[in-house]
Amino acid sequence: ILNVEQSPQSLHVQEGDSTNFTCSFPSSNFYALHWYRWETAKSPEALFVMTLNGDEKKKGRISATLNTKEGYSYLYIKGSQPEDSATYLCAFFGSAGGTSYGKLTFGQGTILTVHP
Amino acid sequence: EPEVTQTPSHQVTQMGQEVILRCVPISNHLYFYWYRQILGQKVEFLVSFYNNEISEKSEIFDDQFSVERPDGSNFTLKIRSTKLEDSAMYFCASSEVGRRENTEAFFGQGTRLTVV
Repeated sequence: ILNVEQSPQSLHVQEGDSTNFTCSFPSSNFYALHWYRWETAKSPEALFVMTLNGDEKKKGRISATLNTKEGYSYLYIKGSQPEDSATYLCAFFGSAGGTSYGKLTFGQGTILTVHP
Repeated sequence: EPEVTQTPSHQVTQMGQEVILRCVPISNHLYFYWYRQILGQKVEFLVSFYNNEISEKSEIFDDQFSVERPDGSNFTLKIRSTKLEDSAMYFCASSEVGRRENTEAFFGQGTRLTVV
């Protein structure tokens, strides 16, 4: 059973604060690490797909880093805004070997609430 | 913009009844998934499907579950005899096949299944 863990489970910050969350995942059979943003009543939407150790990706005020050797990724939000409030999911895409292409295994998510 | 569509958005069924959840993946995608989320719990992998056959399935995906791609555009999940614990939000997703950068999954809006 693949273990993908996210911390913290929930986070409350004030508008303007910067914040970060952690995703830990298996370091073997690694193919890609995904971050998704999930707003209430909508479907999860991909933020980043990272594949290489040391990858850093940025989209506006949100950025992510990847360490495949130790099995962790950080998501950073700079200057949080109320519209950033959502559940942030990471997902490990691993190769199961053989003829299996692999699957996404999700963490339990970090619920971010940004207070005005 | 291409999107994954799911129908119905909400299904209420009696315990023991069969249900079919429908999904139309993005047209040039070749890899399909079903995930579910029981209220308050993490997103769980059910099954992946590629090249007209199941690529991988989880322990949840027992003999009561089946998937089908009946006509080249729809991708269905059937639960033969629903149980109360099958109540969850079911998400369909699709992705391209190929380079690891293309593994981003695009999710539908989900079908909320309520078994009474």
